[in-house]
Amino acid sequence: DGGITQSPKYLFRKEGQNVTLSCEQNLNHDAMYWYRQDPGQGLRLIYYSQIVNDFQKGDIAEGYSVSREKKESFPLTVTSAQKNPTAFYLCATDRGPNTEAFFGQGTRLTVV
Amino acid sequence: SQQGEEDPQALSIQEGENATMNCSYKTSINNLQWYRQNSGRGLVHLILIRSNEREKHSGRLRVTLDTSKKSSSLLITASRAADTASYFCATDARTGGFKTIFGAGTRLFVKA
Repeated sequence: DGGITQSPKYLFRKEGQNVTLSCEQNLNHDAMYWYRQDPGQGLRLIYYSQIVNDFQKGDIAEGYSVSREKKESFPLTVTSAQKNPTAFYLCATDRGPNTEAFFGQGTRLTVV
Repeated sequence: SQQGEEDPQALSIQEGENATMNCSYKTSINNLQWYRQNSGRGLVHLILIRSNEREKHSGRLRVTLDTSKKSSSLLITASRAADTASYFCATDARTGGFKTIFGAGTRLFVKA
């Protein structure tokens, strides 16, 4: 996982609640990403940020929000507008285009 | 958006055998990357091949790239039980600079 810390590892959310997933990196990478993975499926891009104070929507941004106030941190908020939030969430970073990505160990979110 | 996919979806081999998995994509690329994911964990980068390269080696891994066919293959030689994992291909978008992870991956099971 190379210096990317995701927390918590497991998270339970009640219906109608917002929850925030943490992603912190000490790699000094500019770009950070959030992906969602459903069982037996691939990764879908939620949001990405290439620089502090800037971020872009990915393929499935609806019901999610992010911020990038510091280079080291890219928290993801799963809002009550996300109808089916139960999934495995992965944060990643890279130094820029055409470089390898480094992934955190993921947060498994379950709606109860 | 679905940029490509891996095949086969699943592969079961005996320890010591070679494993080959393929990736097809739809758009022009600058590079193609292969990642490995152990169950319930983050992805780990294996190898990156640039669009002007045709073959690349790293230890027991051999990757080929055919840009005319928009396809790549990953060969793992002399497989070990520890190679059991899911394997994904990915690339950087030519514009926007974000990484797209393709498909649901190939699930490799190596029997001891």
